[in-house]
Amino acid sequence: DVKVTQSSRYLVKRTGEKVFLECVQDMDHENMFWYRQDPGLGLRLIYFSYDVKMKEKGDIPEGYSVSREKKERFSLILESASTNQTSMYLCASSFIGTGSYEQYFGPGTRLTVT
Amino acid sequence: DAKTTQPTSMDCAEGRAANLPCNHSTISGNEYVYWYRQIHSQGPQYIIHGLKNNETNEMASLIITEDRKSSTLILPHATLRDTAVYYCIVRPRSGNTPLVFGKGTRLSVIA
Repeated sequence: DVKVTQSSRYLVKRTGEKVFLECVQDMDHENMFWYRQDPGLGLRLIYFSYDVKMKEKGDIPEGYSVSREKKERFSLILESASTNQTSMYLCASSFIGTGSYEQYFGPGTRLTVT
Repeated sequence: DAKTTQPTSMDCAEGRAANLPCNHSTISGNEYVYWYRQIHSQGPQYIIHGLKNNETNEMASLIITEDRKSSTLILPHATLRDTAVYYCIVRPRSGNTPLVFGKGTRLSVIA
């Protein structure tokens, strides 16, 4: 089974802290993604990466950065956490899509910024 | 913005078929229809996808209209564990385009 793991299930941070959310996949997938999910707004794409050291902005990249130094690992960084970044963060991975395409999601990290 | 329209919520009796509709009237010829679902407090899970033919797997069936402007996901014998938010997504056949999620349909299976 494909496994996408996220470093924490729940996280509480203070305003202004630098926050790292880590995601690791074990299927040698080229693509990795970070989404956030908020009530009434659904899942929104923050950043994605289709190769090591490559990144693309999603729909809501402001306030976030990412790092992909190894193929299996994709990190989401909140440089200075703010309360409006309190959310559920979901990581996903996939092969490069041709024909059949499936994104595999991790369990999510519920981040609370106080 | 999502390119699909789904009802906000639906109820289904346990053991009955759940039929979840989706409109995608602007779908283009190289785009697939994907269905995912998200059970509470979990990440989304792939269910099925199709281009123009009907598809069936161990989880569900997908019926796509001949003009491809709408589709229906069918869970043949819904159980309480099928209670989830179901997302219908349109995506190009190839390339690295990420999935774009809309609001989905909240399906409640009732005992």
